[in-house]
Amino acid sequence: GENVEQHPSTLSVQEGDSAVIKCTYSDSASNYFPWYKQELGKGPQLIIDIRSNVGEKKDQRIAVTLNKTAKHFSLHITETQPEDSAVYFCAATATNFGNEKLTFGTGTRLTIIP
Amino acid sequence: EADIYQTPRYLVIGTGKKITLECSQTMGHDKMYWYQQDPGMELHLIHYSYGVNSTEKGDLSSESTVSRIRTEHFPLTLESARPSHTSQYLCASSVRDRQNSPLHFGNGTRLTVT
Repeated sequence: GENVEQHPSTLSVQEGDSAVIKCTYSDSASNYFPWYKQELGKGPQLIIDIRSNVGEKKDQRIAVTLNKTAKHFSLHITETQPEDSAVYFCAATATNFGNEKLTFGTGTRLTIIP
Repeated sequence: EADIYQTPRYLVIGTGKKITLECSQTMGHDKMYWYQQDPGMELHLIHYSYGVNSTEKGDLSSESTVSRIRTEHFPLTLESARPSHTSQYLCASSVRDRQNSPLHFGNGTRLTVT
């Protein structure tokens, strides 16, 4: 089955600086990679996703990059703000599978220092 | 705002008690899921359902059971709670027919068994 590793487990960044979270996956059949953000006291929420037919996707201050050859993908947050403080999860699956086959990373606790 | 609701938010209960965690969604989603989130943040799928009268076990073995009698309702039951069941339980739903449709999570139930 799929195995997703996520690093770092904790990350502290000065407000305004950039944050990068990295994930690797093991199954070459995986081609869909979502990122979820979990704020304190809430459930995770999808913030961005990428499919294997593109190498990068941006949405305002967040971007995700994918390197299929190396089997790794990363989340980039620029101009960080206090509201970016949360736990972030990467995940991977194949598009012909449902969410029941979605494998999550172990999470990164991001703290933005004012 | 996610239209998926979990009750109670917090529950402290003694060993041996029977409990039911409630989950309801108003989005008409066919697929629903239960995840267990341990203190280390990892998300583990314990049950899922494709629709009414469908229930499946997830990757993580669990002593809990689920039922799906109505589309909007997916309760989780522990017949005899034990301290090892102490965890956060997250319910989620998604559209069935769309590939890789986002998971919509509730805000969770934090269960403590003493």
